Amino acid sequence: QVQLQESGPGLVKPSQTLSLTCTVSGDSVSSGSFYWTWIRQSAGKGLEWIGRFYTTGSTSYNPTLKSRVTISIDRSKNQFSLKMPSVTAADTAIYYCARAVGGGGIFQHWGQGTLVTVSS
Amino acid sequence: DIQMTQSPSSLSASVGDRVTITCRASQSISTYLNWYQQKPGKAPKFLIYAASNLESGVPSRFSGSGSGTDFTLTISSLQPEDFATYYCQENYNTLSFTFGGGTKVEIK
Repeated sequence: QVQLQESGPGLVKPSQTLSLTCTVSGDSVSSGSFYWTWIRQSAGKGLEWIGRFYTTGSTSYNPTLKSRVTISIDRSKNQFSLKMPSVTAADTAIYYCARAVGGGGIFQHWGQGTLVTVSS
Repeated sequence: DIQMTQSPSSLSASVGDRVTITCRASQSISTYLNWYQQKPGKAPKFLIYAASNLESGVPSRFSGSGSGTDFTLTISSLQPEDFATYYCQENYNTLSFTFGGGTKVEIK
């Protein structure tokens, strides 16, 4: 059974870069037809799909965040990461990593989530 | 962008009640519609895909229906562990995905 675990700073200052890592166990980020995905949840915007990395190496991002987000994979550590520069208070949210199927749009397995607060 | 609207935003029900939640898409999405359950402090849990297909291990009291723009999630006999918030989500295209605003099912 695949398990995902988010890690990273819980507090980020405005204008700095948010960096999170998702460690995967019970599966390989390099194999299968899976989409390694980031989703966030905030009081203001609800659940919001951020983007994904496919095992072939392709990425896709939410158009509203595309210019600000990078998702990458570290195959040696079986992890994938999210980087979002120039954060504002509006980026305060619970960030989830997930494994998706069905063209990347069916979020079968989720991490427990990590709260990131943007504040000085 | 496809917008997903759920109704009601909350409801109160008793154990044993039949509960129906509605999700409407701003354009036709065929049956590219999924449902999730979220309990406080937990990640969403995947319940139903392609509008009506139960994920493995999901109790049969849950069912989904609909196509095009109108969809429903039904819990045939509400159980204590079913009190949670439910979200619909479309995956009509592969470029971006949208969730509904959620329906909170509370104890009457």
